[in-house]
Amino acid sequence: QQQVKQSPQSLIVQKGGISIINCAYENTAFDYFPWYQQFPGKGPALLIAIRPDVSEKKEGRFTISFNKSAKQFSLHIMDSQPGDSATYFCAASLSSGTYKYIFGTGTRLKVLA
Amino acid sequence: SAVISQKPSRDICQRGTSLTIQCQVDSQVTMMFWYRQQPGQSLTLIATANQGSEATYESGFVIDKFPISRPNLTFSTLTVSNMSPEDSSIYLCSVAGGFGTSALLNEQFFGPGTRLTVL
Repeated sequence: QQQVKQSPQSLIVQKGGISIINCAYENTAFDYFPWYQQFPGKGPALLIAIRPDVSEKKEGRFTISFNKSAKQFSLHIMDSQPGDSATYFCAASLSSGTYKYIFGTGTRLKVLA
Repeated sequence: SAVISQKPSRDICQRGTSLTIQCQVDSQVTMMFWYRQQPGQSLTLIATANQGSEATYESGFVIDKFPISRPNLTFSTLTVSNMSPEDSSIYLCSVAGGFGTSALLNEQFFGPGTRLTVL
């Protein structure tokens, strides 16, 4: 019940296209859902995050869509650029208690020039 | 967000030895965590470093293998003891809950990681 399932494992997108990464969770007590971007040899960087009281959050070219009833959330990268090529991790967390993250398995995105 | 540094950035160690990894934050934070990331894999939480008390370990991780210290609100160490090749990983510290900022406790910020290779 603590798992976060992420798909696809890898994704290839043409420059200018839309990249979509999906995550699903089971524990309805999760109430914070961040996305991280990680480049090779670097630590993960917080990209964007959402709470269940909203269905969508947009920051620049990055949008999180959240479906509470389906227990799913997704990251959309609009106008994908070669510089977006990285590994993306979704996560889920509980606000009460330890604030621990449960991470998804990661998606390796490659944007072709 | 906080500026987080880790030392060393990478190391190659012999089987049976121990390595201590340092994590330094440029401002006081409420929470510090240690993660392991094996090559091409996701992040697995090792433990929560508690200031002034014993760390809280996740299932599968024990204090004898991964002793952790957190003497103050800006610094923590993780030791990987009696290493074997299976311990070859990237070790990451993360922080949350900056004092005097609007950062929510949920927001975690990661250090650059320590790449450990055990021969």
